[in-house]
Amino acid sequence: QQQVKQSPQSLIVQKGGISIINCAYENTAFDYFPWYQQFPGKGPALLIAIRPDVSEKKEGRFTISFNKSAKQFSLHIMDSQPGDSATYFCALPRGDTGRRALTFGSGTRLQVQP
Amino acid sequence: KAGVTQTPRYLIKTRGQQVTLSCSPISGHRSVSWYQQTPGQGLQFLFEYFSETQRNKGNFPGRFSGRQFSNSRSEMNVSTLELGDSALYLCASSLAGTGSATNEKLFFGSGTQLSVL
Repeated sequence: QQQVKQSPQSLIVQKGGISIINCAYENTAFDYFPWYQQFPGKGPALLIAIRPDVSEKKEGRFTISFNKSAKQFSLHIMDSQPGDSATYFCALPRGDTGRRALTFGSGTRLQVQP
Repeated sequence: KAGVTQTPRYLIKTRGQQVTLSCSPISGHRSVSWYQQTPGQGLQFLFEYFSETQRNKGNFPGRFSGRQFSNSRSEMNVSTLELGDSALYLCASSLAGTGSATNEKLFFGSGTQLSVL
């Protein structure tokens, strides 16, 4: 089963700062690299996703950077806000079973201090 | 449009009992997936149903089972409960069908918190 290693486990950032979360995967081809955001008491929600044929995708203050050769993809949150305080998960499709069956990273608890 | 609805929200059971959790997907969504979330193991894929058929299965024992009805609603069942089954069980639905990234997007419910005593 494909493993995905996520770091850091927790992150404290000042308001207005940049939050960076990294994920590394093993030697298998994927066509979909999503990031999910989860608030306490809620289920995860898709934040942003990237395909491997692009190196970067930006949506508002959220950017995914993808490094195919290093087998890594990262989430950058620019101008971090207290409302961004949540747990973030990267994910990968489970082998060839499609994007509806995902292997999740261990999660990063982000705290943005005002 | 209503989101994914999971019932009940909280559940307390004792070891050895069985439990059934329910999930109503977003209207029009044909795929339902189930995930288990625990502090120790994180988010783990249980299984996925599409058109009443199990399409994918994770690495869980046979005590964990599920089904999907013709209206796309889904239930999962855990038999002979163990203490380690205490977790948040999340259901996610998606349009599915053509395989495009948009249709494959997962929408999660808020989950059922199961406590096994």
